[in-house]
Amino acid sequence: DAEITQSPRHKITETGRQVTLACHQTWNHNNMFWYRQDLGHGLRLIHYSYGVQDTNKGEVSDGYSVSRSNTEDLPLTLESAASSQTSVYFCASSEGSGDTDTQYFGPGTRLTVL
Amino acid sequence: GQNIDQPTEMTATEGAIVQINCTYQTSGFNGLFWYQQHAGEAPTFLSYNVLDGLEEKGRFSSFLSRSKGYSYLLLKELQMKDSASYLCASIDSNYQLIWGAGTKLIIKP
Repeated sequence: DAEITQSPRHKITETGRQVTLACHQTWNHNNMFWYRQDLGHGLRLIHYSYGVQDTNKGEVSDGYSVSRSNTEDLPLTLESAASSQTSVYFCASSEGSGDTDTQYFGPGTRLTVL
Repeated sequence: GQNIDQPTEMTATEGAIVQINCTYQTSGFNGLFWYQQHAGEAPTFLSYNVLDGLEEKGRFSSFLSRSKGYSYLLLKELQMKDSASYLCASIDSNYQLIWGAGTKLIIKP
């Protein structure tokens, strides 16, 4: 069955370190998204991609970067981790056949920055 | 600015009916999603509305009024497994999803 996976599921790191969170989907979806979810806030969009070599900044992109070298993967990199980046990170994908595609979410990565 | 409002928490009884409201103010509107999220898990798709009216899917229904910037999710015959957060998300003029903070629904026996 097609799916979307994230790794690691839990990560503890130190301030200033570079961290990369992986996202892999086997749906063959064109669109991929990274969100963070914090208590009291809705999901907030970090970066998104509409296809290979395409990346775009979302609402809260500062301190994060992504690259899309193939259809299946959209890794999220925290260049220099900060305590404010402690959060749960969700990757999502959608087919890309229309502007109102349903997004399907990965299981999430809980990141703690000490 | 863009804003999605939903109640923070609601409590209901097993077997009853509950309505979770969502009001939205977004730059443009291209539809509204409802997702369910159990604690510690990923959001999962429940419904999508773009036209005014009620969409029914089994025990769950979703309603939209574009003129009022208002939607609700109706859950019937509540079961304990319906205890979860329910997320409302509006699609703005750039086709980006603007998410509410979610409504935590607590079901009591």
